[in-house]
Order: sequence, then structure tokens, then C-alpha cells
Amino acid sequence: DVKVTQSSRYLVKRTGEKVFLECVQDMDHENMFWYRQDPGLGLRLIYFSYDVKMKEKGDIPEGYSVSREKKERFSLILESASTNQTSMYLCASSQGQGVSYEQYFGPGTRLTVT
Amino acid sequence: GQNIDQPTEMTATEGAIVQINCTYQTSGFNGLFWYQQHAGEAPTFLSYNVLDGLEEKGRFSSFLSRSKGYSYLLLKELQMKDSASYLCAVLLSGGYNKLIFGAGTRLAVHP
Repeated sequence: DVKVTQSSRYLVKRTGEKVFLECVQDMDHENMFWYRQDPGLGLRLIYFSYDVKMKEKGDIPEGYSVSREKKERFSLILESASTNQTSMYLCASSQGQGVSYEQYFGPGTRLTVT
Repeated sequence: GQNIDQPTEMTATEGAIVQINCTYQTSGFNGLFWYQQHAGEAPTFLSYNVLDGLEEKGRFSSFLSRSKGYSYLLLKELQMKDSASYLCAVLLSGGYNKLIFGAGTRLAVHP
């Protein structure tokens, strides 16, 4: 059974703190993605990675960075958390670069920045 | 730019049929996905269309018209457990499986 796990379901941080969100997949997938989900806006892509140490900006990368040192792990970093980064963060992975490969999602991390 | 539109909310009765529409305007198109997301849970894959026409999978069917930039998800014999958000997503060209999502349609099924 395919599995994407995220380090925390709920997280509360203070403004200015550095925040790490971890994602691990056990399917040997090449591609990994970080999204944020906000009411009325849907899922928006922050960053994605198609190989170890490779990363590409998504649609809203400002204020975020990522790290992929191992194939199974993709980390999202908020260098200095701000209240407008309060959101649900979803990690996903998919196999290869074929057009028909679905993305598998983790359960999400609800981050609150106070 | 990229634009995907779907209704914000829909309601339906248990046992009925509901159609959730999705229109899109994107720079590049390599197929369209539908995902289901129950409150507080991860989105899960429902269907993928890349060619025009209807794909049927049990109680759920998905239709695509590429010339019209239009898709719909059809849910038959609705059950209470179908109450969820339904996300339409376009797969862009260029590899890497990059998806653009609509805002989602929240479906409430009533007895």
C-alpha cells in the first residue's frame, strides 16, 4: 500500500521562527511536491523536486525553501514564519515523468503561525 | 495564465445523481484529474482523462472535451459517504507531473 507521511498533523509556531515540515514517501517515486491549501483558493504549488538535490519553484515559492537530500524525503522550510503562512500544507509524490501518473498525497500539516 | 473554475458548493440527495463541472484555460494540457478529499484528510485519486469522452468507474464517471476546455464528474447512486470536496486538476505539459488545481467543489449529500 502506497504511503506518504508528514511529520506533524498540527503545528503552532511563532512569527519569525524557522519551521521545518518533513515528508517521506515509501514508493520510490522520483517526483515530490509541496502544496498549501487555503479555503477558496484550492491547492497551490510551492515547490517540487524531480530528483535528489533537484528543485523547481512552483507558483508561490516566496518565503519558502526546500531540501531533498534523499529520494524518499522532501522538506519544506519556512525561513522566518509569518502569519500569512498559516495554512494546510500537503506533500505529494508521483512516479517518473509520464503524463498519466497520479500524485499520492500525505495527510497534511495544519500550521498556525501566531 | 492558468484558470480552472468549478462551483464552490453543491448539495444533493442520497440515491440521486450529481454532476460537478470544471472548465479550464491553461497553457498546455496533458490530461485532467479528479480527486476526492474528505474533510481533514488527504486528496485521493478518482479519475484521469486525456482523450475526449466518458470514462466510467463504478458509480463515478468523468467526461472530457478538450476543444471546449470542459470536464465533469458524474456521481450516481449517491451515498452519505460521498460528502466531500471534489478537486479538478489539469496536468500541464513539460513533464514532472505538474498539476494546477481548481478551488474544489464541496458536495453535501443529504438523506
